[in-house]
Amino acid sequence: ETGVTQTPRHLVMGMTNKKSLKCEQHLGHNAMYWYKQSAKKPLELMFVYSLEERVENNSVPSRFSPECPNSSHLFLHLHTLQPEDSALYLCASSQDVGGGTDTQYFGPGTRLTVL
Amino acid sequence: KNQVEQSPQSLIILEGKNCTLQCNYTVSPFSNLRWYKQDTGRGPVSLTIMTFSENTKSNGRYTATLDADTKQSSLHITASQLSDSASYICVVSAMDSSYKLIFGSGTRLLVRP
Repeated sequence: ETGVTQTPRHLVMGMTNKKSLKCEQHLGHNAMYWYKQSAKKPLELMFVYSLEERVENNSVPSRFSPECPNSSHLFLHLHTLQPEDSALYLCASSQDVGGGTDTQYFGPGTRLTVL
Repeated sequence: KNQVEQSPQSLIILEGKNCTLQCNYTVSPFSNLRWYKQDTGRGPVSLTIMTFSENTKSNGRYTATLDADTKQSSLHITASQLSDSASYICVVSAMDSSYKLIFGSGTRLLVRP
């Protein structure tokens, strides 16, 4: 449960604000992910990083800007968001992006509300 | 199009009873199928994972089945407990891009005393 941590757990921001979400994994994994989870909808993959290099940008608007300074940390910088961006933002990590039976381990999420 | 559909959307059962959740998928080429449990306000936690050759996998009171021919899976919960109240998410990955997981919308289970 504590292998992947996220801060803050809750965030309320106006449409003109700039904020950042932080994720840290303590599992020695090489891959990290950002997901968006909206009510009653499946998780949506946003970004994937492997060894600090972005390998996936799933058609995410530019108001979301990821940063991966090292394999243990992942940030999601937010600016000029819209109310429809309100959701639970989940970070995950896995040993590698090769997939197979490699399990993704999720953090507790940041509940974001955009006013 | 790769899709995962789950039923029912929500379910209420009494403590101690059994229940079965369903998952149908159209993902191809199939790699593996996972069931995740997500408690309210928490991230999903993996319960089971099955590859093409496996048709059943247990984790305590949770038993998952997989029929790769009909592309169906089920999660059976035995002797339910209050702590089983959560969303259960079926997740499938394709052989050609295994890190791109295809998520179902989940079944929200409420166990009442």
